Amino acid sequence: QKEVEQDPGPLSVPEGAIVSLNCTYSNSAFQYFMWYRQYSRKGPELLMYTYSSGNKEDGRFTAQVDKSSKYISLFIRDSQPSDSATYLCAMSARPRQLTFGSGTQLTVLP
Amino acid sequence: GAVVSQHPSRVICKSGTSVKIECRSLDFQATTMFWYRQFPKQSLMLMATSNEGSKATYEQGVEKDKFLINHASLTLSTLTVTSAHPEDSSFYICSAVNSNQPQHFGDGTRLSIL
Repeated sequence: QKEVEQDPGPLSVPEGAIVSLNCTYSNSAFQYFMWYRQYSRKGPELLMYTYSSGNKEDGRFTAQVDKSSKYISLFIRDSQPSDSATYLCAMSARPRQLTFGSGTQLTVLP
Repeated sequence: GAVVSQHPSRVICKSGTSVKIECRSLDFQATTMFWYRQFPKQSLMLMATSNEGSKATYEQGVEKDKFLINHASLTLSTLTVTSAHPEDSSFYICSAVNSNQPQHFGDGTRLSIL
């Protein structure tokens, strides 16, 4: 069993839809949680960074962490074609070394 | 936000060539830099962790004599793929981190060995 599980997709949604991306994990020591967006042939770009449980909102993006269920989510409201990318969850017990999910490929159709 | 620059973005070279990739943190001092490898449609695989002024720590299965890492300053780390062969063709990505902040990634280097 992988430490971090993420549905690889692909996921296709119409423009304006709400997108829900999720990861589950098994290591209860994880307390730093991140979501990265990666466009094709580019490096990952940090979208959201949260510590421990709770919600964090930034514009159209909301990250949720439920440590009791070992489950994290990223919601994208009013999705745009420019949101089409691969979304990677990442987490760690300490801030530096990350364990990544396999990534979910998202396509937002105009 | 934090900016990490990686150069070159694309390399095509013959088998047996050594290739150097640079990773620079442009607006912060990176106490630690990481080097990853990514195959198509797969996630990032950590190759090594590089701390400024000390030897890199390599992940299991990564040959340190094949992938030479130098972290000479707080803003620069280099990865040299020595005597590269076609199986070394991949997308190499660096990241940099300062203190307890999250990792920021470069745009990657696509390496193709003919």
